[in-house]
Amino acid sequence: AQKVTQAQTEISVVEKEDVTLDCVYETRDTTYYLFWYKQPPSGELVFLIRRNSFDEQNEISGRYSWNFQKSTSSFNFTITASQVVDSAVYFCALSEANTGNQFYFGTGTSLTVIP
Amino acid sequence: NAGVMQNPRHLVRRRGQEARLRCSPMKGHSHVYWYRQLPEEGLKFMVYLQKENIIDESGMPKERFSAEFPKEGPSILRIQQVVRGDSAAYFCASSPLVGQGGLYEQYFGPGTRLTVT
Repeated sequence: AQKVTQAQTEISVVEKEDVTLDCVYETRDTTYYLFWYKQPPSGELVFLIRRNSFDEQNEISGRYSWNFQKSTSSFNFTITASQVVDSAVYFCALSEANTGNQFYFGTGTSLTVIP
Repeated sequence: NAGVMQNPRHLVRRRGQEARLRCSPMKGHSHVYWYRQLPEEGLKFMVYLQKENIIDESGMPKERFSAEFPKEGPSILRIQQVVRGDSAAYFCASSPLVGQGGLYEQYFGPGTRLTVT
């Protein structure tokens, strides 16, 4: 079973629009970590955020914000006032404390911001 | 402060040849992870190593693939007798420590793009 689901394969928005990338996860562990990574066209992976399962406080960092909802097993990522440089593939990932240290990645959402 | 280094960045091999991918973790990191990203897909875990130890290789194909992280030098992912299906981006990540009941985020290298012709 897929542990991390990113249902949106591709999204296109016009510059300055807000966009939300969805991430739904599945785990039986009570202690787990959720991550978002950005993969620009150059191919490297850029760490954006880590949340642990005990901290449901939403976080804002500049134009980025994250909404963690344990009740719906979701960890959504919103970019406000999108810019062309935001164009990339975004991956959500899960790590479970009790099942080793591997990351389970979603299949990614490809975001294109049109100028 | 150098990040995770991977080389080569691009590697082309003919079917049947061997591919060796190298990963130098960040300074002070003793845990290394290898992931494979097939075209249009997310990253899939392959193996987790500490110095001189394979901790978890549950994601490694049973044949042709091996990994090591020697006491000195980089971690090596080795693919013998490559086939076209091995064409992918291979990412290495490192982390400083695995704490009790938790872990630290993994820092990823730039990846090695393997093309098998």
